[in-house]
Amino acid sequence: GAVVSQHPSRVICKSGTSVKIECRSLDFQATTMFWYRQFPKQSLMLMATSNEGSKATYEQGVEKDKFLINHASLTLSTLTVTSAHPEDSSFYICSAYQAGANTGELFFGEGSRLTVL
Amino acid sequence: AQSVAQPEDQVNVAEGNPLTVKCTYSVSGNPYLFWYVQYPNRGLQFLLKYITGDNLVKGSYGFEAEFNKSQTSFHLKKPSALVSDSALYFCAVRRGGGNNRLAFGKGNQVVVIP
Repeated sequence: GAVVSQHPSRVICKSGTSVKIECRSLDFQATTMFWYRQFPKQSLMLMATSNEGSKATYEQGVEKDKFLINHASLTLSTLTVTSAHPEDSSFYICSAYQAGANTGELFFGEGSRLTVL
Repeated sequence: AQSVAQPEDQVNVAEGNPLTVKCTYSVSGNPYLFWYVQYPNRGLQFLLKYITGDNLVKGSYGFEAEFNKSQTSFHLKKPSALVSDSALYFCAVRRGGGNNRLAFGKGNQVVVIP
């Protein structure tokens, strides 16, 4: 099956710094990727929809200047948490649809655990 | 807008007993329905999906789910639970066609007791 890779899997940073998380589709092209945030033992909260070559669409309540999303190629989307604060600590997960495949299935990365000190 | 309800927070079942995780959905148009499983500190793993065809869908690790249009349900089942099935299970729905976003349920923690 299609594989989505996230990097890094874990990151610890100081408050005020910026952190970039990468989401790559390894064996398929992804015109659309999604970024989610998950708190412990809770469901996934959709943050934004990332479309290749265009601006991301953010969900209500998600600060676009705080969570910068770039989808520069058909295999890579990045999420940058700018000026991170402890409340940004969370598990971030990306997912992608396989371009041209009408399977309806969304493929997920393994997630990235961000801890802001 | 689409939505999913997973009414139970936690499902406890003895090893070897049947396991059922409930899911009801709401969506306009034809539903695409999915079940995913998540182990601690991991991403979501695909279990099974219903898009069209037979209402009974068989998936990974011996799981199956039945699409019931009249009850708008898509309950996940396994005839004989294993301790290794203990995990967080998510039901999801989206409107058919295109790259529409998924709506997830809150998740159910399944605990299989040895």
